[in-house]
Amino acid sequence: AQSVTQLGSHVSVSEGALVLLRCNYSSSVPPYLFWYVQYPNQGLQLLLKYTSAATLVKGINGFEAEFKKSETSFHLTKPSAHMSDAAEYFCAVSDQTGNQFYFGTGTSLTVIP
Amino acid sequence: NAGVMQNPRHLVRRRGQEARLRCSPMKGHSHVYWYRQLPEEGLKFMVYLQKENIIDESGMPKERFSAEFPKEGPSILRIQQVVRGDSAAYFCASSPGFTDQETQYFGPGTRLLVL
Repeated sequence: AQSVTQLGSHVSVSEGALVLLRCNYSSSVPPYLFWYVQYPNQGLQLLLKYTSAATLVKGINGFEAEFKKSETSFHLTKPSAHMSDAAEYFCAVSDQTGNQFYFGTGTSLTVIP
Repeated sequence: NAGVMQNPRHLVRRRGQEARLRCSPMKGHSHVYWYRQLPEEGLKFMVYLQKENIIDESGMPKERFSAEFPKEGPSILRIQQVVRGDSAAYFCASSPGFTDQETQYFGPGTRLLVL
């Protein structure tokens, strides 16, 4: 069975500050992990994914995430927040077939000018 | 290359009516997935289809909901006799089924409102 927990349903950061969005997963098989971003009234856009290659994954818009098996975590970071980063962020886990994704409940990121 | 297309983007139905949601996967993608997103919640898997086959429908409610992905044309998610609790955003995703098969690409969603 697989599941994802996103700690903090709402995160606020100042423009230019570090962004850290937390994701912990549970998986009985080697997981594939994803971060998606959702802007208001839009679909989900893939930010980055981990598929058992390098544990530090770089994505679009300056985001990156590190897979830590010992901590069962896949936290999303960005060194300097931009106003345009304000959105809902979802972490997801799947098995290596990708046939079914399990999503976290999302973290809403607010960027304060 | 156009992304995943969904229509309509917004759909309003009265209780008891039928809702039909359409999804055209990305070109070259043969796998389609449907998810439901309730307010303030993450996406919940409903069903996974390949052309003319339902592969996994473990997330579909047992009654009133059905899905198909015919040989020709878009995938259809059908909700019969809608109730207010069906109000949600319904997202479709597709994947190629070979290279990069583990990544799902999402459409913009259909927001269903049941009055």
